[in-house]
Amino acid sequence: SQQGEEDPQALSIQEGENATMNCSYKTSINNLQWYRQNSGRGLVHLILIRSNEREKHSGRLRVTLDTSKKSSSLLITASRAADTASYFCATDGSSNTGKLIFGQGTTLQVKP
Amino acid sequence: DAGITQSPRHKVTETGTPVTLRCHQTENHRYMYWYRQDPGHGLRLIHYSYGVKDTDKGEVSDGYSVSRSKTEDFLLTLESATSSQTSVYFCAISVVGGNEQYFGPGTRLTVT
Repeated sequence: SQQGEEDPQALSIQEGENATMNCSYKTSINNLQWYRQNSGRGLVHLILIRSNEREKHSGRLRVTLDTSKKSSSLLITASRAADTASYFCATDGSSNTGKLIFGQGTTLQVKP
Repeated sequence: DAGITQSPRHKVTETGTPVTLRCHQTENHRYMYWYRQDPGHGLRLIHYSYGVKDTDKGEVSDGYSVSRSKTEDFLLTLESATSSQTSVYFCAISVVGGNEQYFGPGTRLTVT
């Protein structure tokens, strides 16, 4: 079963708007990561947030983590058409096995 | 794609035939992973390796075997392909298990 569940499954916005995606997970974690996948390509790592961090920024990306609620959000500000992609969260499940468990992803469409 | 290649990139094979997919890295990373990606299921871990000759099962390992005789190569074998193994297969590597992963371009496998 999937550890991470993203919400919404699909999101369509206009260029310049902000996009927010949410991820919920089930077990304790060491870290949570977000990845982007453009159509037909491999996943690209965006950002990693550790369990003792509450917020992290990278360029136009802002990630929050609430371990009490077992949830995370990814905010993309001032979206561009090039941000059109699928976004996945992944957790390590604190198992220290080296494995990540991915959610099913949010498909974001940014209309020019 | 961070020094990761997958071969072949596309393959069509018949039910019952053996198939081997190759993942090759030039990064000398310790951890290597095989995932499959299917609509509605996101990315699911098949097998992973934490060193030469050290491998372990993932979430969907039935029908698959792996081998890692060299740091740079991780092979995924379908001993007798079935139509349910039609999928896109991604290889990934990681310096530290549970941290950011770098993905290959994927192999699209069709079993007829």
